[in-house]
Formats: sequence, C-alpha cells, structure tokens
Amino acid sequence: DVKVTQSSRYLVKRTGEKVFLECVQDMDHENMFWYRQDPGLGLRLIYFSYDVKMKEKGDIPEGYSVSREKKERFSLILESASTNQTSMYLCASTDFLGTQYFGPGTRLLVL
Amino acid sequence: GIQVEQSPPDLILQEGANSTLRCNFSDSVNNLQWFHQNPWGQLINLFYIPSGTKQNGRLSATTVATERYSLLYISSSQTTDSGVYFCAVEQSGGGADGLTFGKGTHLIIQP
Repeated sequence: DVKVTQSSRYLVKRTGEKVFLECVQDMDHENMFWYRQDPGLGLRLIYFSYDVKMKEKGDIPEGYSVSREKKERFSLILESASTNQTSMYLCASTDFLGTQYFGPGTRLLVL
Repeated sequence: GIQVEQSPPDLILQEGANSTLRCNFSDSVNNLQWFHQNPWGQLINLFYIPSGTKQNGRLSATTVATERYSLLYISSSQTTDSGVYFCAVEQSGGGADGLTFGKGTHLIIQP
C-alpha cells in the first residue's frame, strides 16, 4: 500500500513564525503536491514538484515556499505565518498513472 | 482554468438507500478521480476513471468524457459511507500538474 505521512496532525503557531510542514512518501513517486483545504473553497493547489530540486507554483503559492531535497520528502514552508494561513494542509503523491494518494493532513492554527 | 461542479452539495439518506453523485467539468480531461474524505479528514482515492465504468464492491463510477460528466453510485449505503465525496480532474493526464477539485458532496447516512 502507498503510504504518505505528514509530520504533524495538529499544529499551533504564532503570527510571524516560520513554519515547516513535512511530507514523506514511500512509493518512489516522482510527483508530489501540497494543497490547502478551507470551508467553502475546497482543495486548492499551492505548489508541486515533479523531481528532486524542482518545483512549480500551483494556484495559490503566495506566502509559501517548498523544498524537495530528496525524492521521498516534500516540505512546505510558511516564511512568516499569518492568520489567513490557518487551514488544513494536505500532501499528496501520484503514481505513474496519475492516481493521487493523500497524507492524513495537518490542521494548522495561526494565532 | 477548468471548472468542476458537483451535485448535490448535500445529501442525507437512510442506511440501505442508494445514491448517485454527479460531477460536471468544463473542458476535456485526461485524468478524473473520485475521493472520499472521512470525518477525520483523510482523503481516500476511490476511482481513477478518465473514461468508462469501474466497480468496487458497493461503489461504481462512470465517466462519459465526450459529454464531460462523471457519476459515482453508492448502493446499500452504510453509516461508514458518510463524509465528503470529491471529484477531481487534470487536463494533461499523468498526474504531473496537480488536480482541480470540485467543492464536494457532503453525504450523511443515518442509521
């Protein structure tokens, strides 16, 4: 079974803090993604990566950056957390067909 | 970008009932997936179905690509089927560009 893990299920941070969200997949997938999910807005793509050290902006990249130093790990970075970044963050990876597998999500609260 | 519309937005059924969820999309796609998000937030991939029909137990899905819609059927509903069902599409296929999600159908199965 494909396994995608995220470093935290719940996280509370203060405005202005630098926040790291980690995601690891164990199936040697090349493509990895970060989404955020908000009530009424659904899931929106923040950033994605199709290879090590490669990154592409999604629909809402402002305020975020990413890092992919190893194939299995994709990190989302909030350089200076703001209250409007309170959200559910979901990481995913895809197999060769494009079937997407999600991690359990991180609920981030920025105070 | 491509638009994905799901209907109905909310559905409340008794255990044992059957249901049909619909997904319309505004342009041709090479990748379409159905997901179930459980009450704990985990997104589970149900079907990868850019065209044709697939069945998995009590669930089945049909995508008519030429008419730009997909249907998810749930038969003999159980309380564990409750949650939000998402349709998501990708125009290019192969999973490299990320998915565009609909807003979801919130399904509640009452005992």
